[in-house]
Amino acid sequence: DTEVTQTPKHLVMGMTNKKSLKCEQHMGHRAMYWYKQKAKKPPELMFVYSYEKLSINESVPSRFSPECPNSSLLNLHLHALQPEDSALYLCASSQGSDRANYGYTFGSGTRLTVV
Amino acid sequence: AQKVTQAQTEISVVEKEDVTLDCVYETRDTTYYLFWYKQPPSGELVFLIRRNSFDEQNEISGRYSWNFQKSTSSFNFTITASQVVDSAVYFCVLSYGSARQLTFGSGTQLTVLP
Repeated sequence: DTEVTQTPKHLVMGMTNKKSLKCEQHMGHRAMYWYKQKAKKPPELMFVYSYEKLSINESVPSRFSPECPNSSLLNLHLHALQPEDSALYLCASSQGSDRANYGYTFGSGTRLTVV
Repeated sequence: AQKVTQAQTEISVVEKEDVTLDCVYETRDTTYYLFWYKQPPSGELVFLIRRNSFDEQNEISGRYSWNFQKSTSSFNFTITASQVVDSAVYFCVLSYGSARQLTFGSGTQLTVLP
């Protein structure tokens, strides 16, 4: 299995809703990432988990709450979002420090619309 | 500071033309990685190539080729005999730091016309 699987692919939520995005990989990668991509912009880093511990939070508002229950699973819990949070949310995993094989695998993303 | 500059915002070519996408990067790290990713309209990021800072060997893979020059901090990407399916946004990406976070260039929208 060489994929990162993200669910759902599309999500529409109201500003008072609570929802979660899910990301799963079975490649044994020990680093996992959440990126946010607005239309016609590059992806921007939100969070990095390394060995299931949060190592980087790029000053993301608390209405986004990441969780890494195990080495294969990464969640992003959403609560009280704003319309400007509508974006493509991308999950990625990476192999770590092996120079010859180092790389990232991205999921296909969740297109989130906040209404 | 880490920075990736893709000066070409949009490029439009006719099918079978060759096209080169430019990328200039800045980093103080001595060990770093550079990538090119393709993002078609469907949204997924497709890995194309990786280069590390110790390997300046250029590479050709089918219609794709890459020119990595540390002296000018450039990592350019050429598509030979472009095809309509090559139409996408192409990102040049720098990986750095202990957590290996990525810095993306602003992307180049390539449109290949039939």
